[in-house]
Amino acid sequence: GENVEQHPSTLSVQEGDSAVIKCTYSDSASNYFPWYKQELGKRPQLIIDIRSNVGEKKDQRIAVTLNKTAKHFSLHITETQPEDSAVYFCAADNAGNMLTFGGGTRLMVKP
Amino acid sequence: SAVISQKPSRDICQRGTSLTIQCQVDSQVTMMFWYRQQPGQSLTLIATANQGSEATYESGFVIDKFPISRPNLTFSTLTVSNMSPEDSSIYLCSAHGRASQETQYFGPGTRLLVL
Repeated sequence: GENVEQHPSTLSVQEGDSAVIKCTYSDSASNYFPWYKQELGKRPQLIIDIRSNVGEKKDQRIAVTLNKTAKHFSLHITETQPEDSAVYFCAADNAGNMLTFGGGTRLMVKP
Repeated sequence: SAVISQKPSRDICQRGTSLTIQCQVDSQVTMMFWYRQQPGQSLTLIATANQGSEATYESGFVIDKFPISRPNLTFSTLTVSNMSPEDSSIYLCSAHGRASQETQYFGPGTRLLVL
């Protein structure tokens, strides 16, 4: 089955700096790669996703890149703000529209 | 996106008892899923709740321990049976959005503590 690795597990940045979180996946048949943000005590919220026919997608300060050949995808957050502090999860789809999640990255943005 | 609610939001239970968690979606959806999230950990898929047939369980999860019902296209339940302290966790349901069967939206979760 699908295996998703996520790095780093924790990331601390200064407000205004950029943050990059990377994920690799194992199943070359995966075609859909969402990113979720989970604040403490809250549900995971979808923040951006990308499909395999696209190499990059951007939404304001958030962008995701995908390299299908290398089987890795990354989340980029620019001009980080304290409210970006949360745990971020990447995921990859597999058979039956199921998602396999990475281990998560705790992002801390210091004011 | 789909609007998903869960009940209860939290509970404290005694070992050996069972708890049923309800998940309600505001629109008909084909796919509903149940996840477990242990403290500080990622999300692990328990099973896919299929309407009109038995749930499909992932490795390490069995129907006797986590029976699931899916009586219609907007509702599902997960029961945690014969609970032990190791079952203390957050249980989340999810459903795909109206526009896409790939995108999943999550309920607020049920925080379970087993004493």
